[in-house]
Amino acid sequence: GAVVSQHPSWVICKSGTSVKIECRSLDFQATTMFWYRQFPKQSLMLMATSNEGSKATYEQGVEKDKFLINHASLTLSTLTVTSAHPEDSSFYICSARGGEGYGYTFGSGTRLTVV
Amino acid sequence: GNSVTQMEGPVTLSEEAFLTINCTYTATGYPSLFWYVQYPGEGLQLLLKATKADDKGSNKGFEATYRKETTSFHLEKGSVQVSDSAVYFCALRPSNQAGTALIFGKGTTLSVSS
Repeated sequence: GAVVSQHPSWVICKSGTSVKIECRSLDFQATTMFWYRQFPKQSLMLMATSNEGSKATYEQGVEKDKFLINHASLTLSTLTVTSAHPEDSSFYICSARGGEGYGYTFGSGTRLTVV
Repeated sequence: GNSVTQMEGPVTLSEEAFLTINCTYTATGYPSLFWYVQYPGEGLQLLLKATKADDKGSNKGFEATYRKETTSFHLEKGSVQVSDSAVYFCALRPSNQAGTALIFGKGTTLSVSS
């Protein structure tokens, strides 16, 4: 079945530094990638949607200059948290879709802790 | 707008008990409905889905029926196991937006003890 590999699974970084999270579709072409943020004991909040080769569409309230999304190929999308601060600590999950008729495949998530 | 409402947890059950997790939705038209499961420290896995009214999705002993009249998609299992302990999310995809993101409920934590 469709698999999305997300790395790293966890990362600790110092405040002010940047962190990059990768999501790769291993056996299908991800025409659309969704990035979610999950707060403890809460639901997944959609941050942005990206289509291969296009700029990402960010949800209201999400800072596009802080959360940089790149979807340069059909198998790779990245989320870069720039100048991270403790309030950015969260669980980030990507989800990929291969197009009409394909389901949504989720990565295993990245636990980001900013100290 | 579109939204999903799930019963609040946590739900605590003994092994072999009957499980129901309520889910209702608000959406225009006929959205597709999903249940996802998230085990500790992991991402989401599709548990089951239904794409039209009266469809029943089933998997691993779990079932949910798409009820248009009550805008519900309740998750049920006749006999839970300790291994079913996880967070369960109900989600929808708007009916006329095939490429859009899923909209999730807040999730319900299930804890099953032996």
